[in-house]
Amino acid sequence: DAKTTQPNSMESNEEEPVHLPCNHSTISGTDYIHWYRQLPSQGPEYVIHGLTSNVNNRMASLAIAEDRKSSTLILHRATLRDAAVYYCIPANQAGTALIFGKGTTLSVSS
Amino acid sequence: GAVVSQHPSWVICKSGTSVKIECRSLDFQATTMFWYRQFPKQSLMLMATSNEGSKATYEQGVEKDKFLINHASLTLSTLTVTSAHPEDSSFYICSASGLLSTDTQYFGPGTRLTVL
Repeated sequence: DAKTTQPNSMESNEEEPVHLPCNHSTISGTDYIHWYRQLPSQGPEYVIHGLTSNVNNRMASLAIAEDRKSSTLILHRATLRDAAVYYCIPANQAGTALIFGKGTTLSVSS
Repeated sequence: GAVVSQHPSWVICKSGTSVKIECRSLDFQATTMFWYRQFPKQSLMLMATSNEGSKATYEQGVEKDKFLINHASLTLSTLTVTSAHPEDSSFYICSASGLLSTDTQYFGPGTRLTVL
């Protein structure tokens, strides 16, 4: 399993963009980069995933470095509901178990 | 996104009793389901991988005779905590992956187990 490094915590203000970094220097060539987030006392929620190209969806954008050793989850306009623990998880797409690290706790202030 | 449900959402039981937790994929068929547990202020820890119609694969350190997993259909997996003890109190979360290799995983809302 690829090891990931994420900041323990980050802070943001409402309506501002948030860039959540993740280093995954040992990622394998077939691993996708998945991002999930978890609110207190809830199961993780899928955010986005990608392989090589940058990806966008209604929740966020994912910027993947050209060498794939790092990626950045971008929340374009943070809201209070975005306060959660964000996990970056490299994993093969075909139904492989997701191994969670410690993640980044994002705090959003009004 | 796909929906995964868990039942019950919380349960309190006496030490020594068994508790069954259900995990259902509501709008897709799940060939593989995963069970995790999460202690307070910690990350999710994978317990086992469950494939429909076959025996579950347990992670190192997880007792298969204590945590019984049954994946009898493509939409239902159950985790039974047998002879529960206070140290088994935790947040149990399942996830499900669909039939396609491109499917991502979706997580249930979790079940809070408290053993008195």
